[in-house]
Amino acid sequence: QSVLTQPPSESGTPGQGVTISCSGSTSNIGRNTVNWYQQLPGTAPELLIYSNNQRPSGVPDRFSGSKSGTSASLAISGLQSEDEADYYCAAWDDSLNGYVFGTGSRVTVL
Amino acid sequence: QLQLQESGPGLVKPSETLSLICTVSGGSISTRSNHWGWIRQPPGKGLEWIGSVYYSGSNYYNPSLRSRVVISIDTSKNQFSLQLSSVTAADTALYYCARDVRGKGRNMVRGVISEYNYYYMDVWGKGTTVTVTS
Repeated sequence: QSVLTQPPSESGTPGQGVTISCSGSTSNIGRNTVNWYQQLPGTAPELLIYSNNQRPSGVPDRFSGSKSGTSASLAISGLQSEDEADYYCAAWDDSLNGYVFGTGSRVTVL
Repeated sequence: QLQLQESGPGLVKPSETLSLICTVSGGSISTRSNHWGWIRQPPGKGLEWIGSVYYSGSNYYNPSLRSRVVISIDTSKNQFSLQLSSVTAADTALYYCARDVRGKGRNMVRGVISEYNYYYMDVWGKGTTVTVTS
């Protein structure tokens, strides 16, 4: 069961921007940093954003993350066809003493 | 470059125990800043964290699976393993292992330095499919 809530899907045309929301609670997003994972079709998830807004080496700066209170967002600017994927937010939950993932959002490039 | 590789039986019978191994290469499993975790993804569904283990052997489990899960570590082989007992069809999934990074960071807001904890899984294996079927 996912504790973090995301919209099932978002879409945009090439070059546009999309934003994916992630809603949690005080025990997870409210107290801890948020990570985002990109899962391309048929592949393992890859870390896209960590510690709310940090990009691992190699991740384009078209991807950015933010957090406010018990919610977080992933923004993709200049959408490209290769951005079609499932995106998951995640955070440590102090009440569960473990990781919780979001429900996942599928981004479609029209 | 750190790599993780899952291995184990692809088919498990109901009520039996699922056993998987994750082999770590390109780095030591005994690095103090790292835990090592298991995550699963049922067909067509989202990600679920199963649990993580530290090189000392201490571990954290998903409360929903705690009664059936054991995650252990073998530093001599640079491997860690997952055992999930009394499996049912609901345990059919793609199972991933990953490096689980934890630590403390600092940031400054309006001239005030504050500490925060960070947790993330940054290197993942390719995953292995386990099907529970008689």
